[in-house]
Amino acid sequence: DAGVIQSPRHEVTEMGQEVTLRCKPISGHNSLFWYRQTMMRGLELLIYFNNNVPIDDSGMPEDRFSAKMPNASFSTLKIQPSEPRDSAVYFCASSFSPGGGRTEAFFGQGTRLTVV
Amino acid sequence: AQKVTQAQTEISVVEKEDVTLDCVYETRDTTYYLFWYKQPPSGELVFLIRRNSFDEQNEISGRYSWNFQKSTSSFNFTITASQVVDSAVYFCALSEGNTGKLIFGQGTTLQVKP
Repeated sequence: DAGVIQSPRHEVTEMGQEVTLRCKPISGHNSLFWYRQTMMRGLELLIYFNNNVPIDDSGMPEDRFSAKMPNASFSTLKIQPSEPRDSAVYFCASSFSPGGGRTEAFFGQGTRLTVV
Repeated sequence: AQKVTQAQTEISVVEKEDVTLDCVYETRDTTYYLFWYKQPPSGELVFLIRRNSFDEQNEISGRYSWNFQKSTSSFNFTITASQVVDSAVYFCALSEGNTGKLIFGQGTTLQVKP
């Protein structure tokens, strides 16, 4: 298995532009998570999906952030408009959860976003 | 509320030394899961181990071992005979309830010098 695949690996954009991050989870996994890593706040959960349905988006910082999972093999995280404080590494992770948090999450390599 | 504390921000050792990374957690759940992840300089997060709250057996995998003690809410990680390749940031994490969501500690940066 290729693991969780994220694209792009690096993104540099200007303030005010729209940014879309993409994720392909591991085949067969039914939970998908978006995390953000910054020096100040560490690793924090933004949103998670179970069976393609958003379950908890309480970590999404504000309305500029949105996430979708149109099918079991693809998810996007969109920031519109982007701001310099959105600069961070964004990780996507997936896991198989037959009935709860009993399995480990596997992470993609992350997207390093820089907003100038 | 759930919380994970890794009090050691940075640790520096010389190769072949043993090193223990501390992790203390807080949760009201009776069923929970604990994890360790490694983040090498290349940046990816690598899964190391998962432990269930009802299984307090210690685990050993090669040079890695984990000590889980519910009485002290700790899940410590020991690397025996450390190597330069062990240099990384190590994260302890707690899985919340039945969601699979991970709550991470702040991480411990381990530097192993040759």
